[in-house]
Amino acid sequence: AQSVTQLDSQVPVFEEAPVELRCNYSSSVSVYLFWYVQYPNQGLQLLLKYLSGSTLVESINGFEAEFNKSQTSFHLRKPSVHISDTAEYFCAVSEGTGANNLFFGTGTRLTVIP
Amino acid sequence: ETGVTQSPTHLIKTRGQQVTLRCSSQSGHNTVSWYQQALGQGPQFIFQYYREEENGRGNFPPRFSGLQFPNYSSELNVNALELDDSALYLCASSSDLQDELFFGSGTQLSVL
Repeated sequence: AQSVTQLDSQVPVFEEAPVELRCNYSSSVSVYLFWYVQYPNQGLQLLLKYLSGSTLVESINGFEAEFNKSQTSFHLRKPSVHISDTAEYFCAVSEGTGANNLFFGTGTRLTVIP
Repeated sequence: ETGVTQSPTHLIKTRGQQVTLRCSSQSGHNTVSWYQQALGQGPQFIFQYYREEENGRGNFPPRFSGLQFPNYSSELNVNALELDDSALYLCASSSDLQDELFFGSGTQLSVL
């Protein structure tokens, strides 16, 4: 059975500081990994994904995540956060069936402090 | 291009009632998935429809059922509502089984 653990439920960080949101997964098969962002009163938006190939994936707004198979992790990082990055971030895994049927973690609330 | 739209946005029901939530998929998408997001939790997969057929189901009881119509819009029906059914219900569509999910803003269901 697959599971996703997001170790931090809340992460406060000052504006322009770096941030790392942690995600570990458990699965007995190959997985696809995702980070989604949820702004208040909105649905989920895909931030970035790892399907295959390079283990470092990047988003258009400066976030990056690295797939580490030996540590079963997919941590999300940004070198300098903005106020607009304040949101809930969800890590998700799919077990080899493509980008559908996602299994989500419980989320990390990122709050950027001015 | 119209995104995924859900209706209603908010709904209040009492225990034992039945509810129907609706979802219009993004133009060109033939796959719809439904998720339940309880307060403070991540979304949980309910089921998925692909070209009008159910294509996978999560750990939800049979009183959660669905439909997908020829235009690929979808309904989620919940019978015999329980207090624990209170949650945000998210619909997501994709252009095929292997492609990215696009989520709607959800329907907030409160069961009293």
